Amino acid sequence: EAGVVQSPRYKIIEKKQPVAFWCNPISGHNTLYWYRQNLGQGPELLIRYENEEAVDDSQLPKDRFSAERLKGVDSTLKIQPAELGDSAVYLCASSLGVLVGYNEQFFGPGTRLTVL
Amino acid sequence: SQQGEEDPQALSIQEGENATMNCSYKTSINNLQWYRQNSGRGLVHLILIRSNEREKHSGRLRVTLDTSKKSSSLLITASRAADTASYFCATYGQNFVFGPGTRLSVLP
Repeated sequence: EAGVVQSPRYKIIEKKQPVAFWCNPISGHNTLYWYRQNLGQGPELLIRYENEEAVDDSQLPKDRFSAERLKGVDSTLKIQPAELGDSAVYLCASSLGVLVGYNEQFFGPGTRLTVL
Repeated sequence: SQQGEEDPQALSIQEGENATMNCSYKTSINNLQWYRQNSGRGLVHLILIRSNEREKHSGRLRVTLDTSKKSSSLLITASRAADTASYFCATYGQNFVFGPGTRLSVLP
């Protein structure tokens, strides 16, 4: 069974440029998560989708970050414009659902973003 | 804000010894999960314990949960060099919150 797929794996951009990350979750997983992880820290949830609906985006900096999950499968996370502080690893994860006892998450390899 | 806080921040042991990591949290939860992260395999789910459970085992892993103290512990028995990684607890209440992690080094 294929795992969570993310692309690109690495991205280097200059500040003020836009950037987008793509995620394909495990087939059949209704819940999709985007996290940001800074060096030496734990992942920070940016947004969680239940099918197509964004149900938790309280930590998403909405002035520059946007996300979508069309047809409840693939998802894209965008930053426009990028700032130096956005340098981090962006992780995508998926789970069967958010019901108690069924929400173990499967993570993709992440996209390492460097903003110069 | 991060709810889970792991302790210690770093731990170094010899192969064959046991490793214990602790996690404390602040608000009520539905379940608590432990994850491992190393450079080779990324973030991997280890074990999930529900709020009405007190102890769970999986292979060499033993997890306890004390909801009255809002704390959990992860015990790895007979550690191996391959256990070297960062270990994170993640709490699920109204949303998911990961702690800052414990960096475990297992020396051969």
